[in-house]
Amino acid sequence: AQTVTQSQPEMSVQEAETVTLSCTYDTSENNYYLFWYKQPPSRQMILVIRQEAYKQQNATENRFSVNFQKAAKSFSLKISDSQLGDTAMYFCASSNNNNDMRFGAGTRLTVKP
Amino acid sequence: KAGVTQTPRYLIKTRGQQVTLSCSPISGHRSVSWYQQTPGQGLQFLFEYFSETQRNKGNFPGRFSGRQFSNSRSEMNVSTLELGDSALYLCASSLGHQGAYEQYFGPGTRLTVT
Repeated sequence: AQTVTQSQPEMSVQEAETVTLSCTYDTSENNYYLFWYKQPPSRQMILVIRQEAYKQQNATENRFSVNFQKAAKSFSLKISDSQLGDTAMYFCASSNNNNDMRFGAGTRLTVKP
Repeated sequence: KAGVTQTPRYLIKTRGQQVTLSCSPISGHRSVSWYQQTPGQGLQFLFEYFSETQRNKGNFPGRFSGRQFSNSRSEMNVSTLELGDSALYLCASSLGHQGAYEQYFGPGTRLTVT
């Protein structure tokens, strides 16, 4: 069974600064995928970034990057140059080959002007 | 390309009733997954359908069921509603049932059970 843990229920960051959201996971699978999803207030969930477990290189998408530590089963999200539009709930998730996606409890991020 | 659509967007039901929620995936997507989102339990996986077959199921009672049609549209049904079934129900579609594929989420159906 997969489990995903996000230990930071809420975080805040000043506009233009950098923030890191933590996530740890546990899985018995050899092949799995990790995701960060963003759910803005009253809006649809969208994918921020994804990482294949077999790839050692950390994924990056513009201002978003991950620090994937496979041995430690850690998958943190770094947001650089934070913008007001980054205010949202962020969910870390893991998925195996059966598309059985498990989500963490979420971190509510507030970007302050 | 149109996104994932869910109908209805809001629903109010009474305890003991049953409800059917609908999800239309992105054109060409063959996998549809359903999730329940509540403040207390967070996001929980309900089930996933691919090519009209249930491929995976989360830890929910048999009152929760679903199906997928040949055009990949999916419905989920909850029978004998309980107060605890009040939640946002999210549907997500993807190209394949492998976990590698990005899931695209719909806006959700907010179900309130009174």
